[in-house]
Amino acid sequence: AQSVTQLDSQVPVFEEAPVELRCNYSSSVSVYLFWYVQYPNQGLQLLLKYLSGSTLVESINGFEAEFNKSQTSFHLRKPSVHISDTAEYFCAVTGLTGGGNKLTFGTGTQLKVEL
Amino acid sequence: ETGVTQTPRHLVMGMTNKKSLKCEQHLGHNAMYWYKQSAKKPLELMFVYNFKEQTENNSVPSRFSPECPNSSHLFLHLHTLQPEDSALYLCASSQSAGGADTQYFGPGTRLTVL
Repeated sequence: AQSVTQLDSQVPVFEEAPVELRCNYSSSVSVYLFWYVQYPNQGLQLLLKYLSGSTLVESINGFEAEFNKSQTSFHLRKPSVHISDTAEYFCAVTGLTGGGNKLTFGTGTQLKVEL
Repeated sequence: ETGVTQTPRHLVMGMTNKKSLKCEQHLGHNAMYWYKQSAKKPLELMFVYNFKEQTENNSVPSRFSPECPNSSHLFLHLHTLQPEDSALYLCASSQSAGGADTQYFGPGTRLTVL
């Protein structure tokens, strides 16, 4: 079984400042890792994912996340945030056990970007 | 536009009512999912269907009854719900039930049980 911990429930940040949203996971097997974003009144959208290869993965809108196996982390970062980045961000994991696409989600981090 | 639609977007029902949630995906995917999203709690996977066959029931109470008539449609039939069942119910789909496949989510149905 897997678990995900998102340590921060809310992160306020000023526009154009950098931000890091933390995610740690626990698993007894190798994993795939995901970050999803949920804008108000919408469903979740995939932001980026790590499957294999380079441990640094990037999204099209400037976010990046780095898979750190030794620290079992997959923190999400952006060097300069915009007002439009205000949303809830969910980290998720699925184990490579052949058990199918069963995502385990964290509790989410609300990112609030202020002027 | 995610390609996954859900109706209704909002639903208020009494504990004795029977209602159904509908999900439709226009992405040609073969796997579909129901999730429950409650405030301050992680998303909870409820059911998984792969090629119309249920492959996962995550110990969901029988007052929730899923139906998948084809790979494009998924229903969640509700009866004799409890107030604690009030939540956002999200539908998702993916190309297959493999772990690497991205899940695409609908906007959800906000359910309130009185």
